[in-house]
Amino acid sequence: GAGVSQSPSNKVTEKGKDVELRCDPISGHTALYWYRQSLGQGLEFLIYFQGNSAPDKSGLPSDRFSAERTGGSVSTLTIQRTQQEDSAVYLCASSTRAGGLSEQYFGPGTRLTVT
Amino acid sequence: AQKITQTQPGMFVQEKEAVTLDCTYDTSDPSYGLFWYKQPSSGEMIFLIYQGSYDQQNATEGRYSLNFQKARKSANLVISASQLGDSAMYFCAMREGLLGSGGSNYKLTFGKGTLLTVNP
Repeated sequence: GAGVSQSPSNKVTEKGKDVELRCDPISGHTALYWYRQSLGQGLEFLIYFQGNSAPDKSGLPSDRFSAERTGGSVSTLTIQRTQQEDSAVYLCASSTRAGGLSEQYFGPGTRLTVT
Repeated sequence: AQKITQTQPGMFVQEKEAVTLDCTYDTSDPSYGLFWYKQPSSGEMIFLIYQGSYDQQNATEGRYSLNFQKARKSANLVISASQLGDSAMYFCAMREGLLGSGGSNYKLTFGKGTLLTVNP
C-alpha cells in the first residue's frame, strides 16, 4: 500500500515568509508525528497527533510553528515569518496507534531552505 | 545528559563482512523500546529492528540483529554480510514509558547517527 507522503519535497523561501508543509499518513494510521532534522542536530521531535488532537506540542521550537490535522488524516505544519535557522528537513511519520512498540513509518521529508 | 549516544560518526566495512554500530542509552524508566532506522541518501527513514526492555532474547530481523546488553545500557546493531546497498546513515532511537498510558511513550528520541560506508 501507499506509504507516508509529504509535499513539497523541496521548498526554498525568503526569510520572513510563511510556509506550509503537508503530510499524508498511511491510511488508517491514527497517530501522526512531525520531526525536524537539522545538520548536526539529529532528529528532534516537534509534535504528535492522536486523531485530530495534539496532546503534546512541547517540541515546537517557537510560537511561529503550528500544526493541524483534519479528518484524522492529512496534517499541515505551518511556519510563520521563517528564519534561516528554520532550514532543515521536516519529516512526518505515522503509526497505527501512539505509544508501545508500534512502528513509526516515515515519509521522505520536506527539505526547507530559508534564504 | 544525552538519552541516546552513538559514538561512531562514520564506519567503513568491506562488502560481505559484518559490522557493529554502537548505541548506548540513558533512561530511568523500566519499560522502554530501542529502535534502529536506516536513512539512505534519498532521505527516507526506514525502520530496521526494535527491542523491548523486557524482551528476554535479542531481536533479529534478517541480516540485522540487536546486541542488547541491558546492564550496560547498550543496544548495538549488527549487520551481517554487508551489501553495497547498506551504505547509509543509521540512527538508534528510544521510546520510554511503554507500559504507561501517558508520559512520552509516543515520541522517539534519536541519536546523532552513524554514517556507514560499505566498500566493494
